[in-house]
Amino acid sequence: GQNIDQPTEMTATEGAIVQINCTYQTSGFNGLFWYQQHAGEAPTFLSYNVLDGLEEKGRFSSFLSRSKGYSYLLLKELQMKDSASYLCAVRDSGGYQKVTFGTGTKLQVIP
Amino acid sequence: KAGVTQTPRYLIKTRGQQVTLSCSPISGHRSVSWYQQTPGQGLQFLFEYFSETQRNKGNFPGRFSGRQFSNSRSEMNVSTLELGDSALYLCASSLDTGNYGYTFGSGTRLTVV
Repeated sequence: GQNIDQPTEMTATEGAIVQINCTYQTSGFNGLFWYQQHAGEAPTFLSYNVLDGLEEKGRFSSFLSRSKGYSYLLLKELQMKDSASYLCAVRDSGGYQKVTFGTGTKLQVIP
Repeated sequence: KAGVTQTPRYLIKTRGQQVTLSCSPISGHRSVSWYQQTPGQGLQFLFEYFSETQRNKGNFPGRFSGRQFSNSRSEMNVSTLELGDSALYLCASSLDTGNYGYTFGSGTRLTVV
């Protein structure tokens, strides 16, 4: 099975940098996803990590350490529109590679 | 290209009734996964279909079932509805079984009264 932990809520200031952490415990690992979900909308894909290290995509970066069961999503130059929930999801390596989501981190960006 | 289409968007049902939700994936996507989202539990995996076969199943009671048609469209059914089934039901499609990021539909908001 899988266990995924993320902070429930975070607050950050417009223009700042915020790091959202995700730790996971899994019997088999084959990739980690980050999704963004605005209130009342569907989640949208942000990033995917399967190897250790940092993946950068514009203002968003995602880091993975498989040995530590740890990932983070880094958001730079925060904008008000970044206020949303950020979901960490882990794909297992067994069978047909089910994807399990964490409960999400609700980020509020304040002026 | 068209996104993932879920119908209906909103649904109100009475306890004990049954409901069928529909999902049309992005053209060419053969994998369809269903999730239940509630404020306290987040996204809970229901099941995943690929080429009309159920590939994965979550820990939901047998009242929750699904199927996929030859055109990749999928339906999920919930029988004998309970108040606790009130949730947002999200469908996600991908090119293959989890090898790519999901594209989610807008969801069906089910309220059981």
